[in-house]
Amino acid sequence: QVQLQESGPGLVKPSQTLSLTCSVSGASISSGDYYWSWFRQLPGKGLEWIGYIYNSGRPYYNPSLRSRVIISPDTSNVQVSLEVTSVTAADTAVYYCARGIPSARGPTNWFDPWGQGTLVTVSS
Amino acid sequence: DIQMTQSPSSLSASVGDRVTITCRTSQRINNYLNWYQQRPGKAPKLLIYSASSLQSGVPSRFSGSGSGTDFTLIISSLQPEDSATYYCQQSHSSPLTFGQGTKLEIK
Repeated sequence: QVQLQESGPGLVKPSQTLSLTCSVSGASISSGDYYWSWFRQLPGKGLEWIGYIYNSGRPYYNPSLRSRVIISPDTSNVQVSLEVTSVTAADTAVYYCARGIPSARGPTNWFDPWGQGTLVTVSS
Repeated sequence: DIQMTQSPSSLSASVGDRVTITCRTSQRINNYLNWYQQRPGKAPKLLIYSASSLQSGVPSRFSGSGSGTDFTLIISSLQPEDSATYYCQQSHSSPLTFGQGTKLEIK
């Protein structure tokens, strides 16, 4: 059974870099054709896709965040990292990682399971 | 970006009721539409993928339909544990986008 768990600082100062880790158990991020993904949910708001890496390869980012985001696998192949640079209060959110499962019948995917999420507050 | 519009934004229903939530997209997305349930303080949970396929372990009272731009999530007989916010999400094109959510309350 695949499980994901986010971890990282709960408080980040404005203009600094937010760094989170998604620890994956029950799977290796370098095996299988999965999209290891990050999402966020602003307080009281809906969900926003940040980006994903596919098969430990090229990352894909939401264009709205592309200039400030890096998603990368670590060498152990059981963690996926997220960095968001130059954060502001608008980046305060619950951050989730999730596994994207590709369809065998077309260029689409869905996300399961999700980690429990971690709240990051941007404040001085 | 593909815009996702869910309706209603919120609803209240009784145990045993049939509940319908709709999702309309700003462009045709074939059947590349997924539904998630999010209980308060919890992560989203996949219910339906590819518009109509029931995720393993999800009760059969949940069903999905639609193609193109109009999609529907139906709960055939509402249970107390179905109190949650429901989101649709398109995987047709980048950026992946979600509906604004439908908050379902049990009377």
